[in-house]
Amino acid sequence: KNEVEQSPQNLTAQEGEFITINCSYSVGISALHWLQQHPGGGIVSLFMLSSGKKKHGRLIATINIQEKHSSLHITASHPRDSAVYICAAKSNFGNEKLTFGTGTRLTIIP
Amino acid sequence: GAGVSQSPRYKVAKRGQDVALRCDPISGHVSLFWYQQALGQGPEFLTYFQNEAQLDKSGLPSDRFFAERPEGSVSTLKIQRTQQEDSAVYLCASSLAPRTEAFFGQGTRLTVV
Repeated sequence: KNEVEQSPQNLTAQEGEFITINCSYSVGISALHWLQQHPGGGIVSLFMLSSGKKKHGRLIATINIQEKHSSLHITASHPRDSAVYICAAKSNFGNEKLTFGTGTRLTIIP
Repeated sequence: GAGVSQSPRYKVAKRGQDVALRCDPISGHVSLFWYQQALGQGPEFLTYFQNEAQLDKSGLPSDRFFAERPEGSVSTLKIQRTQQEDSAVYLCASSLAPRTEAFFGQGTRLTVV
């Protein structure tokens, strides 16, 4: 079992739909990242959170530390949101490394 | 520069060749990480520097992999005697301090033929 698991692996939706991507982790963490990766490899950090909820534009990230679960939501989805979304857990043991999920490939159809 | 810069963006190496991949972190960032991302997979941790000190190299897959950051800024990941299984995207990330947000470079796509 991977230490960080995401679901779904692939998600196709119509433009305008509300999107939810889930992330569960089994390790102790100091923070959880949500990242966006476009074709070509570049990774953009969307959020780093250790509790509660963060919002940036149409993106919302939540985390429940007790349940070891985080969600990324996209409201009013748009084709330009099509990308791979990756959650990554930062260890709380001080070595700073990120353990990544395998990603969710999101495709928004116009 | 404004972001993390990696070079080259693409590298094709013949099996057995040595390669060197460069990472220029954001100026002033203390922490630097190298990750390896195989096709269709999430990135996997390779190594971590705090300034010039390599604090964790537990993810380096073999002794053919070597990373350095001699002056606490630019880092080089060297792979000796490359093998086909080394083909991957190599990602570098930096953060201002421990426990702060990490910023990623565009990656170097290495193809070993």
